[in-house]
Amino acid sequence: DTAVSQTPKYLVTQMGNDKSIKCEQNLGHDTMYWYKQDSKKFLKIMFSYNNKELIINETVPNRFSPKSPDKAHLNLHINSLELGDSAVYFCASSQVGRGGRYEQYFGPGTRLTVT
Amino acid sequence: RKEVEQDPGPFNVPEGATVAFNCTYSNSASQSFFWYRQDCRKEPKLLMSVYSSGNEDGRFTAQLNRASQYISLLIRDSKLSDSATYLCVVVTGNQFYFGTGTSLTVIP
Repeated sequence: DTAVSQTPKYLVTQMGNDKSIKCEQNLGHDTMYWYKQDSKKFLKIMFSYNNKELIINETVPNRFSPKSPDKAHLNLHINSLELGDSAVYFCASSQVGRGGRYEQYFGPGTRLTVT
Repeated sequence: RKEVEQDPGPFNVPEGATVAFNCTYSNSASQSFFWYRQDCRKEPKLLMSVYSSGNEDGRFTAQLNRASQYISLLIRDSKLSDSATYLCVVVTGNQFYFGTGTSLTVIP
């Protein structure tokens, strides 16, 4: 059973397009995250979200928006894609709260290439 | 100052060697610490949590030094399969901060 899944695994698209990446977790966690890993392999958090709070990394352009239809899903929508958006995007989840152990579990990643 | 600083390496060691990685953090209020492993073109995977008393899992030992604000990972008897990037993670409040990763290659 896949704990955190993402689709698609690969995404190739042209500049200016709008695209979405889907993420689902079946761990019953209350918090989900989106990360961007660029060519230098640095893992940078973009968003963290639970049913109470969305925390946005202020450096993330507003072309990126998380959308959560329910607690088990956090999709990433990207408008007007740019060349610099090419990266691997990871979704993750964790249980945060009193007594929570905080470990994050990652999805397999979506490799986005903007041409 | 960065929340988490980690030597990127690379570390190239022969099989059987012992290798240690350190990671420093800037916020004394940080409350949770982890080591993750990331293989090439794969997602990061939890390797182990780091506790104040230190903890061991087979060939891997993790230590936390709150006074000096660093965590360490020691790998004994390195195997070829240990080749990967090792990421330290520091949790402050509800924020996760990842180090840039240390690349390890174990050479036959």
